[in-house]
Amino acid sequence: QKEVEQNSGPLSVPEGAIASLNCTYSDRGSQSFFWYRQYSGKSPELIMSIYSNGDKEDGRFTAQLNKASQYVSLLIRDSQPSDSATYLCAVQGGFKTIFGAGTRLFVKA
Amino acid sequence: EAGVAQSPRYKIIEKRQSVAFWCNPISGHATLYWYQQILGQGPKLLIQFQNNGVVDDSQLPKDRFSAERLKGVDSTLKIQPAKLEDSAVYLCASSLGSHQRNEQFFGPGTRLTVL
Repeated sequence: QKEVEQNSGPLSVPEGAIASLNCTYSDRGSQSFFWYRQYSGKSPELIMSIYSNGDKEDGRFTAQLNKASQYVSLLIRDSQPSDSATYLCAVQGGFKTIFGAGTRLFVKA
Repeated sequence: EAGVAQSPRYKIIEKRQSVAFWCNPISGHATLYWYQQILGQGPKLLIQFQNNGVVDDSQLPKDRFSAERLKGVDSTLKIQPAKLEDSAVYLCASSLGSHQRNEQFFGPGTRLTVL
């Protein structure tokens, strides 16, 4: 059974801090990795994708991938209250994409 | 560019009734997905279409759920008869293809309540 694991949280950080969200996966053959943001009552929105080991930066977001450790993370710099949401990790191997249960993030003003 | 469209947005039915959801993907997207998301959980794939063929329906409860994607564009998902545990948000997503680097884009979802 292929799995994607995330800490359910909630993760609470003060405004302006760095939020660090983590995800582990079981399928070593996984090739593509995605982070989605989901506000309460809304549908998931793609915010980052990463395919190679290392870091990928987009504005305040940095995705980090370590295939050897089967670990992917998302860093949010200068966290804002508007970043408060559930962050879903999704892992694709072949044609299958599996979503984690998500980590709830609260950014305190 | 228009996003993924879904209807209805909300639906309340009694158990043992039937219900149908509709999805229109982003223009040009070959792959269409139906997910079930129960509160506090991640999206669970029900069925994945590539054009009008089924790629994966391994988690679709086929005794009560059915889906079709005629002409390889829009799709309908049906539940008949509904059970209390079917209360969830049903999300439709689409992507250009189904191979690697497959970024999916979600519609607004249909919130189903079964009483």
